[in-house]
Amino acid sequence: QSVLTQPPSVSAAPGQKVTFSCSGSSSNIGNHHVSWYQQLPGTAPKLLMYENNKRPSGIPDRFSGSKSGTSATLGITGLQTGDEADYYCETWDSSLSAYVFGTGTKVTVL
Amino acid sequence: EVQLVESGGGLVQPGGSLRLSCAASGFTLSNYWMTWVRQAPGKGLEWVANIKQDGSEKYYVDSVKGRFTISRDNAKNSLYLQMNSLRAGDTAVYYCADETQDSSGYSYFDLWGRGTLVTVSS
Repeated sequence: QSVLTQPPSVSAAPGQKVTFSCSGSSSNIGNHHVSWYQQLPGTAPKLLMYENNKRPSGIPDRFSGSKSGTSATLGITGLQTGDEADYYCETWDSSLSAYVFGTGTKVTVL
Repeated sequence: EVQLVESGGGLVQPGGSLRLSCAASGFTLSNYWMTWVRQAPGKGLEWVANIKQDGSEKYYVDSVKGRFTISRDNAKNSLYLQMNSLRAGDTAVYYCADETQDSSGYSYFDLWGRGTLVTVSS
């Protein structure tokens, strides 16, 4: 079981906005940077966000990240059918001395 | 093209062994910490192990300690995962990824391979 908790699923119509959280503790999110990964169906994960809110080159600014205390949030605006995927948060856990991933959130475009 | 390509997966019986490889192209592997991440069928991602650029430091998730060994051959631009005493719970797609450090020194997984499937079953 992951130490980072995400909602199993979120959904919205095309063009709308979704946000979802990644909840952790002081041993992980509270004291370390958070990254986010997008996994399209049948493909490998892809880096979406690093250092809480920085986008790699090629990632549109429709994607945004933030962190407050022991939680992080990913937002997607102008939702597109191509955004349907599983999204995972990730960070280092000092207590476990291991990288940890969130439980994953499936985004569905209605 | 910058890419990572895993190989070596397959069907193995419980208690058996398997060696995974990850070949890098388009960049120099020796510049990066490298990581293995796995994903059981229909499940989420789990970090497995990582290794420093020169191989002098290695870290593992508790569930594979003593059974898996991560290694690298920088001359061959390759990363490896030796998996022994395999269990049904090790069944997963195994991905290799490079670790890049952000401005504060925290790592994130920048480039991922497509993965190789390991199935442990009798």
